[in-house]
Amino acid sequence: GNSVTQMEGPVTLSEEAFLTINCTYTATGYPSLFWYVQYPGEGLQLLLKATKADDKGSNKGFEATYRKETTSFHLEKGSVQVSDSAVYFCALSDTTNAGKSTFGDGTTLTVKP
Amino acid sequence: DTGVSQDPRHKITKRGQNVTFRCDPISEHNRLYWYRQTLGQGPEFLTYFQNEAQLEKSRLLSDRFSAERPKGSFSTLEIQRTEQGDSAMYLCASSSRLAGGHNEQFFGPGTRLTVL
Repeated sequence: GNSVTQMEGPVTLSEEAFLTINCTYTATGYPSLFWYVQYPGEGLQLLLKATKADDKGSNKGFEATYRKETTSFHLEKGSVQVSDSAVYFCALSDTTNAGKSTFGDGTTLTVKP
Repeated sequence: DTGVSQDPRHKITKRGQNVTFRCDPISEHNRLYWYRQTLGQGPEFLTYFQNEAQLEKSRLLSDRFSAERPKGSFSTLEIQRTEQGDSAMYLCASSSRLAGGHNEQFFGPGTRLTVL
């Protein structure tokens, strides 16, 4: 079956530091890959996505590249802000699996001023 | 706003009581999914509908849980005889082949259930 493994947290960074959150996946089909962000007490917000190998998703300074050879989709940002503090989830969905999403366990990011 | 909406946002109940949650998907999205998210975990799939047909249920969905989507629009998730282990965030999502494909789901804000 499908699975997603995320870098364990929590991660604490100073403002303007470089961020990497690792994500690897296992899938039987050809999944689309996603990063979601969740702020305290709120639902999931789609941060970025990539639908095929070598695609790069980007949004709000965050980037992730779909690497089929390493089955990875690592999230990066060059300079984090306090407002980026949240929980980040890596996920995949696969039309051969009815489009259901499979999520990692989340990585909590805290950015200190 | 035409996003996915869920009601209520928060529900506190006593063990043994029944609760019902509602999800309104994005208009004309024919697929609707329910997920459960416990503290410190990622969301886990519970069930999904294509139009009014419930096509799959996870083994996480015990006999105390039932979901409906009677007219292929909004959906309800009912939990009977709630237990403390049911305390979680219940998330709804919808998708359409014509709007990003079924690989992209749009999530609602969730209903947080606390069972005392």
